[in-house]
Amino acid sequence: GIQVEQSPPDLILQEGANSTLRCNFSDSVNNLQWFHQNPWGQLINLFYIPSGTKQNGRLSATTVATERYSLLYISSSQTTDSGVYFCAVERYETSGSRLTFGEGTQLTVNP
Amino acid sequence: GAGVSQSPRYKVAKRGQDVALRCDPISGHVSLFWYQQALGQGPEFLTYFQNEAQLDKSGLPSDRFFAERPEGSVSTLKIQRTQQEDSAVYLCASSLGLLAGVRGETQYFGPGTRLLVL
Repeated sequence: GIQVEQSPPDLILQEGANSTLRCNFSDSVNNLQWFHQNPWGQLINLFYIPSGTKQNGRLSATTVATERYSLLYISSSQTTDSGVYFCAVERYETSGSRLTFGEGTQLTVNP
Repeated sequence: GAGVSQSPRYKVAKRGQDVALRCDPISGHVSLFWYQQALGQGPEFLTYFQNEAQLDKSGLPSDRFFAERPEGSVSTLKIQRTQQEDSAVYLCASSLGLLAGVRGETQYFGPGTRLLVL
């Protein structure tokens, strides 16, 4: 099946700093989503981005499908950004309708 | 409701007990998914429904796990004779799935059920 690798595994920032999270995947995909898992375990949709660039407030994401990676940018980080960020992909032809998740990036933003 | 809901939110079971976990998808969503998330790891796929049809159950870890969606809306994940290794968060997700075989739709997740087997 498709492999998903996220980096870095852990990231500690001071409030106000910017960061870039990376997601590499091993094959072409039909779907790529970025999630934020809050301390209560809820997976919050950030972006549906199988290709291209999107922005939502302080967050933006870029997926370069031909090179099989996606980047999540967080600008002017806030303590509420803390949590685990997951990248998940779907490749219907080989895995059916399922998301395959990476191991996540644990982000801690200190005041 | 506006989102996916799951119940119970927390469940403590003694080893050997049967448990049933419920998922209410977003109204009108055809596709429904169950995932299992162990501590410190990403969610892993268990099973997938399109309406009432279970199209993929390849992720279910053993025959103690059973899922159903009899009317194409609410789904139940049942675990028989629970074991300690079943302790995890069980996540349900739904997507529009308007056309059979449609690919690449956003999946929306519920808050999960935390299962602890003692």
